[in-house]
Amino acid sequence: NAGVTQTPKFQVLKTGQSMTLQCAQDMNHEYMSWYRQDPGMGLRLIHYSVGAGITDQGEVPNGYNVSRSTTEDFPLRLLSAAPSQTSVYFCASSYGAPGTAIYEQYFGPGTRLTVT
Amino acid sequence: DAKTTQPNSMESNEEEPVHLPCNHSTISGTDYIHWYRQLPSQGPEYVIHGLTSNVNNRMASLAIAEDRKSSTLILHRATLRDAAVYYCLPSGGSYIPTFGRGTSLIVHP
Repeated sequence: NAGVTQTPKFQVLKTGQSMTLQCAQDMNHEYMSWYRQDPGMGLRLIHYSVGAGITDQGEVPNGYNVSRSTTEDFPLRLLSAAPSQTSVYFCASSYGAPGTAIYEQYFGPGTRLTVT
Repeated sequence: DAKTTQPNSMESNEEEPVHLPCNHSTISGTDYIHWYRQLPSQGPEYVIHGLTSNVNNRMASLAIAEDRKSSTLILHRATLRDAAVYYCLPSGGSYIPTFGRGTSLIVHP
């Protein structure tokens, strides 16, 4: 049971480039989400999904796209990278949704992204 | 979701108990209270959650005030490995959880 995996661990992009951050979980969790964490700050939600085929925006969705074609995978796409997107990105999954007794998020190890 | 207030940092000695407070005075009656921690250079890790009653697990205990406006995460015997940032996170019907800056716990040997 690998839990939540993310690739790559590190990435450097030039302004304007696009890329996809990969996230996968093998726990059959319905709820998945993407966060970004800037230095010294808490996590902010980018996008989330409550199941395959269903996604919605979080607190800071601009500049990012997501899709959820399978229960296991939830990739995050940066459309045109900007220096303001330099951050650490975490993917998380949970069996239950927020507000339920079984809402326990499992986080991946993170992707450290630098945009120059 | 309810807004939370946590001290920026706390210090403890190894093998002593630690009480990490969180104020969530605007919590609704159906919001769960979750605690996560984040070790250096790692993703957050679930610690414990509860609704009204105090809760215990292998990692910690959660004491919830009777009016639910505050809670306290209790580490019974701090170890160096417990040095982390601890986040208190009420969770209700909103799908957008709010992680504040949390409390940075420093554990002295």
